[in-house]
Amino acid sequence: DAKTTQPPSMDCAEGRAANLPCNHSTISGNEYVYWYRQIHSQGPQYIIHGLKNNETNEMASLIITEDRKSSTLILPHATLRDTAVYYCIVRPHAGGTSYGKLTFGQGTILTVHP
Amino acid sequence: ETGVTQTPRHLVMGMTNKKSLKCEQHLGHNAMYWYKQSAKKPLELMFVYNFKEQTENNSVPSRFSPECPNSSHLFLHLHTLQPEDSALYLCASSQGLVTNEQFFGPGTRLTVL
Repeated sequence: DAKTTQPPSMDCAEGRAANLPCNHSTISGNEYVYWYRQIHSQGPQYIIHGLKNNETNEMASLIITEDRKSSTLILPHATLRDTAVYYCIVRPHAGGTSYGKLTFGQGTILTVHP
Repeated sequence: ETGVTQTPRHLVMGMTNKKSLKCEQHLGHNAMYWYKQSAKKPLELMFVYNFKEQTENNSVPSRFSPECPNSSHLFLHLHTLQPEDSALYLCASSQGLVTNEQFFGPGTRLTVL
């Protein structure tokens, strides 16, 4: 799986957009970008994933650059409950011998403050 | 609520004890996973089960013994653990292995004295 690089921490004011970057310069053509988050003392939670087009769901938006070497997770109106560690994971979408093996890095600690 | 429950939520055990962690998923999934999260370390995958069959053992010491009696239940039997095994143990499930969308339980915080 492609290696990802995320800033160790970020701050965001409540109500503002939180933009979390992820670099994945060695991403392969068949690899997707997945985002999970882990709120303190809870298990990780799936947020969103994408291949090359921008994606949006009820939780967030995912913007992937045209060369696919980086992406940004956007929480449009951050709340205090969005304070968590956010993980960017790059891996093939399905199948192959590495199925099921999510590899979590250190992630970005996002702190949303009042 | 993610549909994945874990019991107990907290466990303290001595090095000579035998205990078991339980995970149950109510999502109709076929694949289940055990992860370990030590302090200041990333999550580490331990075991993967698909349709009750173990498909992955990530070089986990034999003092950790998983059991998957059916697709809804997963156990992790613990014996003669070491203090360095203290960690958050997370269970997850997914609709088969051909998806990277996993649903995690809240975890069991284990302390080995």
